[in-house]
Amino acid sequence: GESVGLHLPTLSVQEGDNSIINCAYSNSASDYFIWYKQESGKGPQFIIDIRSNMDKRQGQRVTVLLNKTVKHLSLQIAATQPGDSAVYFCAENIPISGGYNKLIFGAGTRLAVHP
Amino acid sequence: EPEVTQTPSHQVTQMGQEVILRCVPISNHLYFYWYRQILGQKVEFLVSFYNNEISEKSEIFDDQFSVERPDGSNFTLKIRSTKLEDSAMYFCASSELGTGRQETQYFGPGTRLLVL
Repeated sequence: GESVGLHLPTLSVQEGDNSIINCAYSNSASDYFIWYKQESGKGPQFIIDIRSNMDKRQGQRVTVLLNKTVKHLSLQIAATQPGDSAVYFCAENIPISGGYNKLIFGAGTRLAVHP
Repeated sequence: EPEVTQTPSHQVTQMGQEVILRCVPISNHLYFYWYRQILGQKVEFLVSFYNNEISEKSEIFDDQFSVERPDGSNFTLKIRSTKLEDSAMYFCASSELGTGRQETQYFGPGTRLLVL
């Protein structure tokens, strides 16, 4: 497969460690946030989401934290596994005219998990 | 589990040629989107589509681009006269209810377009 995000910041962790990936968003109108995982040559895959009226949400091995005061989002992955190696994008949902929505993606972080 | 599908997976074309990228959104979804990702860059919104019309488009989505829902299952992106800078990965996405709702968009695997 091809590489995506050749110039992305990279987080390198050992298998079994916890990973924290951070994201800053810009739009105060954003009301919903999603973390996507993108493996090489594939489309973004939904991991977890959080609405703006929450500050924390937990899934299986993943936790998302939202700090609206500083417009910051983080994704925590517990007991990181080699299969978690991918590029991770945060996306903010922005309401637009007519009641529709669009996603604005962050720049992405490459997670490299070493055995 | 239902998923968004896209064809072709790869498309190579000459500059100035027309290309049509095809997507089959998840069957009960009503909102459809196209995004693109230039190699090494982030995913960028192109256009959203609902009820057979464009609901929002970005500045990237100029007159060379068009979208269509030709039948009950397909959603297409046409680029009329491709330019070198159109080379990118193009992703289709769909969501069940997009209006006024905070809702996940599900992405297809993408079409890699290379313009020579």
